[in-house]
Amino acid sequence: EIVLTQSPATLSLSPGERATLSCRASQSVSSYLAWYQQKPGQAPRLLIYDASNRATGIPARFSGSGSGTDFTLTISSLEPEDFAVYYCQQRSNWPAITFGQGTRLEIK
Amino acid sequence: QVQLQESGPGLVKPSETLSLTCTVSGGSVSSGSYYWSWIRQPPGKGLEWIGYIYYSGSTNYNPSLKSRVTISVDTSKNQFSLKLSSVTAADTAVYYCAREPLMGATTRWFDPWGQGTLVTVSS
Repeated sequence: EIVLTQSPATLSLSPGERATLSCRASQSVSSYLAWYQQKPGQAPRLLIYDASNRATGIPARFSGSGSGTDFTLTISSLEPEDFAVYYCQQRSNWPAITFGQGTRLEIK
Repeated sequence: QVQLQESGPGLVKPSETLSLTCTVSGGSVSSGSYYWSWIRQPPGKGLEWIGYIYYSGSTNYNPSLKSRVTISVDTSKNQFSLKLSSVTAADTAVYYCAREPLMGATTRWFDPWGQGTLVTVSS
């Protein structure tokens, strides 16, 4: 099973700052990595697919990068609505699928 | 745009079977372009994929749950369903249904998700 490790567990930043979230895979997942945002009481929402492609309707301040085992989700300038939990997910070894444990982005 | 909505009992007794249905609107479960999945999230914890179904009835389940899970599809009602048998308190979670776009021969992400439904296992 491919394990996804997200860091940090919690990130404390202020609106307007840049956020950098990391997801590391225990073995290569090529570019088959997705990122989701989850706000309290809501379902996860797809942000990024295939490592670097923004989903429909996702603001340009969200970007994804990486391949192989190391991936990054960057939020260029935090808006108040961006404070949430973020998960990465892989499905490179079809049909197995795993999620990271999540990074909580909180207001400093 | 496609929307998914989970429904079913919010309380299930230990050792019984959890049954949920996902109703799809604005799209068709009969589309050969998607797989349809169930995912769960225990309170305060992370996400766990349960399994998927294709319109043809083909399924695949998380090995950790495989012995207790059955996912089925009803194309006439545009729904797919989850049954999880012999539940314990560890199965208490928010259960989500989600769509997986087929990209070539595989799927790689979930979009969209239903709003989720909390199922509590308790006597």
